[in-house]
Amino acid sequence: SQQGEEDPQALSIQEGENATMNCSYKTSINNLQWYRQNSGRGLVHLILIRSNEREKHSGRLRVTLDTSKKSSSLLITASRAADTASYFCATDAVGGAQKLVFGQGTRLTINP
Amino acid sequence: NAGVTQTPKFQVLKTGQSMTLQCAQDMNHNSMYWYRQDPGMGLRLIYYSASEGTTDKGEVPNGYNVSRLNKREFSLRLESAAPSQTSVYFCASSEFEPQHFGDGTRLSIL
Repeated sequence: SQQGEEDPQALSIQEGENATMNCSYKTSINNLQWYRQNSGRGLVHLILIRSNEREKHSGRLRVTLDTSKKSSSLLITASRAADTASYFCATDAVGGAQKLVFGQGTRLTINP
Repeated sequence: NAGVTQTPKFQVLKTGQSMTLQCAQDMNHNSMYWYRQDPGMGLRLIYYSASEGTTDKGEVPNGYNVSRLNKREFSLRLESAAPSQTSVYFCASSEFEPQHFGDGTRLSIL
């Protein structure tokens, strides 16, 4: 069974607005990663946050991690049409030997 | 910079046919992975190889076999394809984090 659950399943916003996606997981983790998937393409790594970190930034991306609630959020600020894609969280469980477990993803649509 | 290359990109099979999906990476990574992605779902791990000469089962290994041919190549074989194996298959490689993905093989079993 998949460990990550993402919310919402789909999100549609106007260009320039901020987009927030949430991920919950079930077991202790070494790290949590976010990936983007454009239609018909493979996944591209966006950002990794380790279990001892609470917040991380990369450009317009901000990721938070709350290990007590077993949850993470991805914030994309000042969205652009090119941000339209599916976004997946993936957890690397303790003792999991780098075997990632992916959530079901959030389909983000940015409207011009 | 090819990264992870998967062949073929598309394939249609009849039930019971066999097929091997190929994956090669040029990043000198030790670990390689095979996933399947079904509509509306995230990726599920089929098999992985932590290093050349080793393979291990993931979450959904039934109906599949793998071969780590050398450090660069990791193939996935369907011995007797079933309609339930219709999916998009992704190969990935890594040296610790993160994983680097190919663009997938879209496989339909009729």
